[in-house]
Amino acid sequence: EADIYQTPRYLVIGTGKKITLECSQTMGHDKMYWYQQDPGMELHLIHYSYGVNSTEKGDLSSESTVSRIRTEHFPLTLESARPSHTSQYLCASSYLTGLNEQFFGPGTRLTVL
Amino acid sequence: DQQVKQNSPSLSVQEGRISILNCDYTNSMFDYFLWYKKYPAEGPTFLISISSIKDKNEDGRFTVFLNKSAKHLSLHIVPSQPGDSAVYFCAAIRGNQFYFGTGTSLTVIP
Repeated sequence: EADIYQTPRYLVIGTGKKITLECSQTMGHDKMYWYQQDPGMELHLIHYSYGVNSTEKGDLSSESTVSRIRTEHFPLTLESARPSHTSQYLCASSYLTGLNEQFFGPGTRLTVL
Repeated sequence: DQQVKQNSPSLSVQEGRISILNCDYTNSMFDYFLWYKKYPAEGPTFLISISSIKDKNEDGRFTVFLNKSAKHLSLHIVPSQPGDSAVYFCAAIRGNQFYFGTGTSLTVIP
């Protein structure tokens, strides 16, 4: 059973606010990911990390930033939310080596008014 | 450019019948393929996978078939159950990169 958590599950916020989406996993996975997904669309990778102090941008350009100070924690921050950031954000983790599946968190549904 | 495609956005199947979900890919260098299942308001959960060196993998009611010459992947669910109603994503791995399809929404009618 995967143990990866995201908070909040739902967030409605006004334009211009700073927000942080939390993601934590208790499986000791080195690699963590953030995806953005709109209904009926593919998952777009926006950030990933190979381990502590490692962060990389994904395929989809994003105005968000991430940090990886601890193995289990990979928060995503939007400095100034805009309506175009309205989406579902999914966090995932996996082992660094080998062909292993990613384990996903429940997601955060973000609405920016 | 999307490297993994699911051309059917939705599929309806009668309970007890076979569900066949399809996925096409463009990159012959993919090492591994996976299927994920996603319920509304939840994250995707891993269902079944197949290595690029195999052509079939079976796990209970779920079987994945890989046709490398056609660059085609399919998931068979037999028999289909109402609880199988969800969105199914196929994914492919090359190196450390995952590529996801857009998903197919399966509805199993009781």
